[in-house]
Amino acid sequence: DAKTTQPPSMDCAEGRAANLPCNHSTISGNEYVYWYRQIHSQGPQYIIHGLKNNETNEMASLIITEDRKSSTLILPHATLRDTAVYYCIVSATGANNLFFGTGTRLTVIP
Amino acid sequence: DAMVIQNPRYQVTQFGKPVTLSCSQTLNHNVMYWYQQKSSQAPKLLFHYYDKDFNNEADTPDNFQSRRPNTSFCFLDIRSPGLGDAAMYLCATGIPGQGFNEQFFGPGTRLTVL
Repeated sequence: DAKTTQPPSMDCAEGRAANLPCNHSTISGNEYVYWYRQIHSQGPQYIIHGLKNNETNEMASLIITEDRKSSTLILPHATLRDTAVYYCIVSATGANNLFFGTGTRLTVIP
Repeated sequence: DAMVIQNPRYQVTQFGKPVTLSCSQTLNHNVMYWYQQKSSQAPKLLFHYYDKDFNNEADTPDNFQSRRPNTSFCFLDIRSPGLGDAAMYLCATGIPGQGFNEQFFGPGTRLTVL
């Protein structure tokens, strides 16, 4: 699986959009980009995934660059409950494993 | 609600005393995973079951074993816990055949080794 690079930490003001970047320059054609988050003392939670196109669901939007070498997770209106570690993971179609990197610790500030 | 349940949430054991952590699911998923997460680190996959087929990660110590008696339950056995095995242990389930790898995690069991 391709490796990912994320900033170790970010702050975001409550109510503003949080934009979390991820680099995955060695991504292969059959690999999806996944985002999970882990709130303190809880298990990781799936947020969104994508292959080539931008994706949106009730939690977030995922923007993938045309060359697929990087992506951005967007939380449109961050709340205090969005404070968590956000993991960007690249994983092949049908693969059983998710390899978590170091993630980005997002702190939403009142 | 369908979910992944881990019991107990907190487990204390003594150095060298075998301990078993439990996971159950009501999602009826084929795959069950065990991850180890040490303090301030990312989750690390130990092994997984695809139905009854056991798949061990290459660097998982022999001290860690697993059992899956049926679809719903999976156990993590630590035969002789050391101080370095103190961690959060996360169970997850998934349906890899759907084409993408969404996993559903339980709340974890925090293991303390005295």
